[in-house]
Amino acid sequence: DAMVIQNPRYQVTQFGKPVTLSCSQTLNHNVMYWYQQKSSQAPKLLFHYYDKDFNNEADTPDNFQSRRPNTSFCFLDIRSPGLGDAAMYLCATSSFTTGGYSPLHFGNGTRLTVT
Amino acid sequence: EDQVTQSPEALRLQEGESSSLNCSYTVSGLRGLFWYRQDPGKGPEFLFTLYSAGEEKEKERLKATLTKKESFLHITAPKPEDSATYLCAVEGSSNTGKLIFGQGTTLQVKP
Repeated sequence: DAMVIQNPRYQVTQFGKPVTLSCSQTLNHNVMYWYQQKSSQAPKLLFHYYDKDFNNEADTPDNFQSRRPNTSFCFLDIRSPGLGDAAMYLCATSSFTTGGYSPLHFGNGTRLTVT
Repeated sequence: EDQVTQSPEALRLQEGESSSLNCSYTVSGLRGLFWYRQDPGKGPEFLFTLYSAGEEKEKERLKATLTKKESFLHITAPKPEDSATYLCAVEGSSNTGKLIFGQGTTLQVKP
Protein backbone atom coordinates (compact mmCIF):
# COMPACT_ATOMS: atom_id res chain seq x y z
CA ASP A 1 0.00 0.00 0.00
CA ALA A 2 1.19 3.48 -0.84
CA MET A 3 1.88 5.33 2.35
CA VAL A 4 3.59 8.03 4.38
CA ILE A 5 6.08 6.68 6.91
CA GLN A 6 7.51 8.65 9.78
CA ASN A 7 10.51 7.65 11.84
CA PRO A 8 10.94 7.32 14.67
CA ARG A 9 7.45 6.98 16.16
CA TYR A 10 8.75 8.24 19.50
CA GLN A 11 11.77 10.49 20.03
CA VAL A 12 13.20 11.71 23.31
CA THR A 13 15.77 14.50 23.26
CA GLN A 14 17.39 16.75 25.80
CA PHE A 15 16.77 20.46 26.09
CA GLY A 16 18.95 22.19 23.49
CA LYS A 17 20.13 18.98 21.78
CA PRO A 18 19.46 19.00 18.02
CA VAL A 19 17.05 16.41 16.71
CA THR A 20 15.96 15.28 13.24
CA LEU A 21 12.65 13.68 12.33
CA SER A 22 12.20 11.91 9.02
CA CYS A 23 9.35 11.27 6.62
CA SER A 24 9.22 9.14 3.51
CA GLN A 25 6.42 8.54 1.02
CA THR A 26 5.62 6.01 -1.66
CA LEU A 27 2.72 8.03 -3.10
CA ASN A 28 4.96 10.05 -5.44
CA HIS A 29 3.20 13.23 -4.32
CA ASN A 30 4.86 16.50 -5.23
CA VAL A 31 3.85 18.40 -2.08
CA MET A 32 5.02 17.54 1.44
CA TYR A 33 4.00 19.24 4.69
CA TRP A 34 5.11 19.33 8.32
CA TYR A 35 2.48 20.00 10.97
CA GLN A 36 2.95 20.37 14.73
CA GLN A 37 0.14 19.10 16.97
CA LYS A 38 0.21 19.72 20.71
CA SER A 39 -2.06 17.81 23.04
CA SER A 40 -5.77 18.45 22.35
CA GLN A 41 -4.91 21.22 19.88
CA ALA A 42 -5.34 21.72 16.18
CA PRO A 43 -2.50 20.64 13.89
CA LYS A 44 -0.47 23.74 13.00
CA LEU A 45 1.33 24.04 9.67
CA LEU A 46 5.07 24.70 10.04
CA PHE A 47 6.13 24.63 6.36
CA HIS A 48 5.64 22.80 3.11
CA TYR A 49 7.46 21.93 -0.07
CA TYR A 50 6.01 22.18 -3.53
CA ASP A 51 8.52 19.98 -5.33
CA LYS A 52 11.79 21.53 -4.11
CA ASP A 53 10.30 24.96 -3.43
CA PHE A 54 10.30 25.59 0.32
CA ASN A 55 7.43 27.58 1.87
CA ASN A 56 7.79 28.68 5.47
CA GLU A 57 4.82 29.84 7.55
CA ALA A 58 5.32 33.37 8.91
CA ASP A 59 5.03 32.29 12.54
CA THR A 60 7.25 29.21 12.36
CA PRO A 61 10.22 29.74 14.72
CA ASP A 62 13.70 29.89 13.20
CA ASN A 63 14.56 26.93 15.41
CA PHE A 64 12.70 24.72 12.94
CA GLN A 65 14.31 23.87 9.62
CA SER A 66 13.50 21.38 6.89
CA ARG A 67 15.18 19.57 4.04
CA ARG A 68 13.76 17.69 1.07
CA PRO A 69 16.62 15.95 -0.74
CA ASN A 70 14.32 14.16 -3.20
CA THR A 71 10.63 13.53 -3.94
CA SER A 72 10.34 10.68 -1.45
CA PHE A 73 12.01 12.09 1.66
CA CYS A 74 11.58 15.10 3.89
CA PHE A 75 13.29 15.95 7.18
CA LEU A 76 12.41 18.22 10.07
CA ASP A 77 15.36 19.58 12.03
CA ILE A 78 14.90 21.22 15.42
CA ARG A 79 18.15 22.99 16.14
CA SER A 80 17.75 23.67 19.85
CA PRO A 81 14.60 22.01 21.22
CA GLY A 82 12.86 23.69 24.11
CA LEU A 83 10.28 22.23 26.47
CA GLY A 84 7.59 23.99 24.46
CA ASP A 85 8.53 22.01 21.36
CA ALA A 86 7.26 18.75 22.84
CA ALA A 87 4.47 17.69 20.50
CA MET A 88 3.37 15.26 17.81
CA TYR A 89 4.95 16.12 14.49
CA LEU A 90 2.89 15.08 11.49
CA CYS A 91 4.14 14.71 7.94
CA ALA A 92 1.61 14.86 5.12
CA THR A 93 1.66 14.69 1.34
CA SER A 94 -0.56 15.94 -1.45
CA SER A 95 -0.59 15.82 -5.20
CA PHE A 96 -0.97 19.12 -7.05
CA THR A 97 -2.29 18.96 -10.60
CA THR A 98 -4.19 21.33 -12.86
CA GLY A 99 -7.31 20.31 -10.92
CA GLY A 100 -5.86 21.53 -7.62
CA TYR A 101 -4.54 19.78 -4.53
CA SER A 102 -5.60 16.29 -3.52
CA PRO A 103 -6.65 15.74 0.12
CA LEU A 104 -3.69 15.55 2.47
CA HIS A 105 -2.46 12.07 3.31
CA PHE A 106 -0.85 11.89 6.77
CA GLY A 107 1.75 9.68 8.37
CA ASN A 108 1.28 8.39 11.92
CA GLY A 109 3.48 11.09 13.38
CA THR A 110 6.52 11.29 15.63
CA ARG A 111 5.87 12.02 19.30
CA LEU A 112 8.70 14.25 20.54
CA THR A 113 9.52 14.51 24.23
CA VAL A 114 12.02 17.11 25.47
CA THR A 115 13.62 16.47 28.85
CA GLU B 1 -7.61 35.34 8.60
CA ASP B 2 -8.99 31.86 7.96
CA GLN B 3 -10.39 30.27 11.10
CA VAL B 4 -12.10 27.02 12.12
CA THR B 5 -13.98 26.36 15.37
CA GLN B 6 -15.37 22.96 16.30
CA SER B 7 -17.99 22.12 18.88
CA PRO B 8 -18.45 20.42 21.19
CA GLU B 9 -14.87 19.72 22.33
CA ALA B 10 -15.95 16.32 23.62
CA LEU B 11 -19.03 14.19 23.11
CA ARG B 12 -20.09 11.00 24.84
CA LEU B 13 -22.77 8.86 23.24
CA GLN B 14 -24.35 5.53 23.91
CA GLU B 15 -24.11 3.02 21.11
CA GLY B 16 -26.93 3.72 18.68
CA GLU B 17 -27.48 7.29 19.89
CA SER B 18 -27.24 9.55 16.82
CA SER B 19 -25.76 13.06 17.04
CA SER B 20 -23.96 15.80 15.10
CA LEU B 21 -20.60 17.54 15.31
CA ASN B 22 -20.31 21.18 14.27
CA CYS B 23 -17.56 22.98 12.38
CA SER B 24 -17.89 26.76 11.99
CA TYR B 25 -15.51 28.50 9.65
CA THR B 26 -14.48 31.86 8.26
CA VAL B 27 -12.43 31.78 5.10
CA SER B 28 -11.82 34.01 2.13
CA GLY B 29 -12.82 32.02 -0.91
CA LEU B 30 -13.53 28.48 0.25
CA ARG B 31 -11.78 25.97 -1.97
CA GLY B 32 -12.68 22.96 0.17
CA LEU B 33 -13.76 21.84 3.64
CA PHE B 34 -12.26 18.60 4.88
CA TRP B 35 -13.18 16.11 7.59
CA TYR B 36 -10.55 13.82 9.10
CA ARG B 37 -10.67 11.12 11.76
CA GLN B 38 -7.75 10.82 14.18
CA ASP B 39 -7.27 7.84 16.48
CA PRO B 40 -5.04 8.20 19.56
CA GLY B 41 -1.34 8.19 18.69
CA LYS B 42 -2.01 8.17 14.93
CA GLY B 43 -2.14 10.65 12.10
CA PRO B 44 -5.40 12.04 10.72
CA GLU B 45 -7.24 9.84 8.24
CA PHE B 46 -9.15 11.52 5.41
CA LEU B 47 -12.95 11.15 5.40
CA PHE B 48 -14.60 13.76 3.15
CA THR B 49 -14.10 16.87 1.07
CA LEU B 50 -16.98 19.32 0.54
CA TYR B 51 -16.64 22.12 -1.99
CA SER B 52 -19.84 24.16 -2.03
CA ALA B 53 -22.86 25.00 0.12
CA GLY B 54 -25.55 22.36 -0.11
CA GLU B 55 -23.16 19.54 -0.82
CA GLU B 56 -23.49 16.31 1.18
CA LYS B 57 -21.32 13.20 1.37
CA GLU B 58 -21.84 9.90 3.14
CA LYS B 59 -19.68 7.03 4.28
CA GLU B 60 -21.16 4.22 6.34
CA ARG B 61 -22.63 5.86 9.48
CA LEU B 62 -21.17 9.29 8.71
CA LYS B 63 -22.75 12.08 6.69
CA ALA B 64 -21.12 15.47 6.14
CA THR B 65 -23.05 18.57 5.09
CA LEU B 66 -21.95 22.11 4.23
CA THR B 67 -23.47 25.59 4.42
CA LYS B 68 -21.81 28.95 3.78
CA LYS B 69 -20.74 29.26 7.41
CA GLU B 70 -20.57 25.77 8.87
CA SER B 71 -20.38 22.06 8.30
CA PHE B 72 -21.95 19.23 10.23
CA LEU B 73 -20.78 15.67 10.64
CA HIS B 74 -23.82 13.58 11.40
CA ILE B 75 -23.23 10.21 13.03
CA THR B 76 -26.13 7.78 12.75
CA ALA B 77 -26.41 4.86 15.19
CA PRO B 78 -22.74 5.07 16.21
CA LYS B 79 -20.73 2.06 17.31
CA PRO B 80 -17.81 1.96 19.79
CA GLU B 81 -15.38 1.74 16.88
CA ASP B 82 -16.48 5.24 15.80
CA SER B 83 -14.75 6.61 18.92
CA ALA B 84 -12.03 9.01 17.76
CA THR B 85 -11.22 12.69 17.39
CA TYR B 86 -12.86 14.24 14.34
CA LEU B 87 -10.99 17.16 12.80
CA CYS B 88 -12.39 19.76 10.42
CA ALA B 89 -10.14 21.82 8.14
CA VAL B 90 -10.55 24.44 5.41
CA GLU B 91 -8.55 25.46 2.38
CA GLY B 92 -9.07 29.05 1.28
CA SER B 93 -8.10 30.90 -1.85
CA SER B 94 -5.50 32.92 0.09
CA ASN B 95 -3.90 29.72 1.40
CA THR B 96 -4.13 27.39 -1.55
CA GLY B 97 -2.91 23.90 -0.77
CA LYS B 98 -2.67 24.57 2.98
CA LEU B 99 -5.23 23.31 5.48
CA ILE B 100 -6.27 25.29 8.54
CA PHE B 101 -7.55 22.88 11.19
CA GLY B 102 -9.98 23.16 14.04
CA GLN B 103 -9.07 21.68 17.42
CA GLY B 104 -11.32 18.70 16.92
CA THR B 105 -14.22 16.96 18.65
CA THR B 106 -13.34 13.88 20.66
CA LEU B 107 -16.13 11.36 20.38
CA GLN B 108 -16.57 8.47 22.80
CA VAL B 109 -19.22 5.85 22.04
CA LYS B 110 -20.03 3.51 24.90
CA PRO B 111 -21.46 0.03 24.31
